[in-house]
Amino acid sequence: GQNIDQPTEMTATEGAIVQINCTYQTSGFNGLFWYQQHAGEAPTFLSYNVLDGLEEKGRFSSFLSRSKGYSYLLLKELQMKDSASYLCAVRDQGGYQKVTFGIGTKLQVIP
Amino acid sequence: DAMVIQNPRYQVTQFGKPVTLSCSQTLNHNVMYWYQQKSSQAPKLLFHYYDKDFNNEADTPDNFQSRRPNTSFCFLDIRSPGLGDAAMYLCATSSLGGWGETQYFGPGTRLLVL
Repeated sequence: GQNIDQPTEMTATEGAIVQINCTYQTSGFNGLFWYQQHAGEAPTFLSYNVLDGLEEKGRFSSFLSRSKGYSYLLLKELQMKDSASYLCAVRDQGGYQKVTFGIGTKLQVIP
Repeated sequence: DAMVIQNPRYQVTQFGKPVTLSCSQTLNHNVMYWYQQKSSQAPKLLFHYYDKDFNNEADTPDNFQSRRPNTSFCFLDIRSPGLGDAAMYLCATSSLGGWGETQYFGPGTRLLVL
């Protein structure tokens, strides 16, 4: 099975940088996803890491260390619209791509 | 362009009255998933289809059933909804072999049980 931990809430200021951490303990690992979910809406894909290192995509970057069971999502130049929950999700190694989601980190961006 | 469509967006049902939620996709993806998400909780996988191969999660209640008549459509049937089944129900799809094999989510159906 999978156990995923991430902070439940964070607050950051518009224009700043924020890092959202995720740690996981898994019986198998085949990739880690970050999703953004606005209140009452479906999750939308942000990033995917399967190898160690940093993946950068515009204002968003995601980092993975498989040996440490650790990932972070970095958001730069925060905008008010970035206020949302950020879900860390881990995919199993075998089988039918089962993905287990963390509870999500609710980020509030303040002026 | 809508890719994963869920109808209705909001569904109200009565305690014990069967209800069906629907999902359709234009992505031609092999895999379709149903998740249940309660307020401030992680999406919880109920079951998924790989083509017509049905995979039920061990802790999914028997009250929940699913049908996938073809590649494009998938249904979630709740046979006797209880108050605890009120939640957002998310349908997602993915395609084996694609980069990252990302799951694409529909907008969700919010179920209210009275």
